[in-house]
Amino acid sequence: RKEVEQDPGPFNVPEGATVAFNCTYSNSASQSFFWYRQDCRKEPKLLMSVYSSGNEDGRFTAQLNRASQYISLLIRDSKLSDSATYLCVVNGPQERDDKIIFGKGTRLHILP
Amino acid sequence: DADVTQTPRNRITKTGKRIMLECSQTKGHDRMYWYRQDPGLGLRLIYYSFDVKDINKGEISDGYSVSRQAQAKFSLSLESAIPNQTALYFCATSEPNQETQYFGPGTRLLVL
Repeated sequence: RKEVEQDPGPFNVPEGATVAFNCTYSNSASQSFFWYRQDCRKEPKLLMSVYSSGNEDGRFTAQLNRASQYISLLIRDSKLSDSATYLCVVNGPQERDDKIIFGKGTRLHILP
Repeated sequence: DADVTQTPRNRITKTGKRIMLECSQTKGHDRMYWYRQDPGLGLRLIYYSFDVKDINKGEISDGYSVSRQAQAKFSLSLESAIPNQTALYFCATSEPNQETQYFGPGTRLLVL
């Protein structure tokens, strides 16, 4: 099993729809989880952290399922501006940063 | 002004040439990182530094070297560039708790 795995997509979703994608991770001792957004030819930027209790930020909801070792991102009422690649990031339990693992990303296209 | 800057933004070089990529930050963070991003492979960690003069290898350090002479600057060198080092290179910083990484705008490198 790969350390962090994401469906590469693309997900083609009509504007206004709800879309969700998951990210699985292999290390059960992983401690922190994030979703980053990356626009084409731009740098990744933090979208939201993922907490054990789940968290919501406007139209975005992130969930963590430790038992099944995955995190999810739900986008409601999708906008054209949501089109981007969404990167899952998992931090391991160790102090050293070589355990920060980026997923390869899921591409999302919002269609007008 | 951007908090994390990279120079140059684009570079074309020839096989065998030495090239240096520079990263500067005004965030006051101790931790700095160099990543490369390739289509289909996601972000991969090259080197990272927790403080001035502290250097640690990441996942793919072969063929690269780094220098951290000041808190605000972290440079990446390719001593003898080869075509498979053609990629998009990102510098990033973080605070000690590693919770969020702040990326520079990236450097596009083409090695002919």
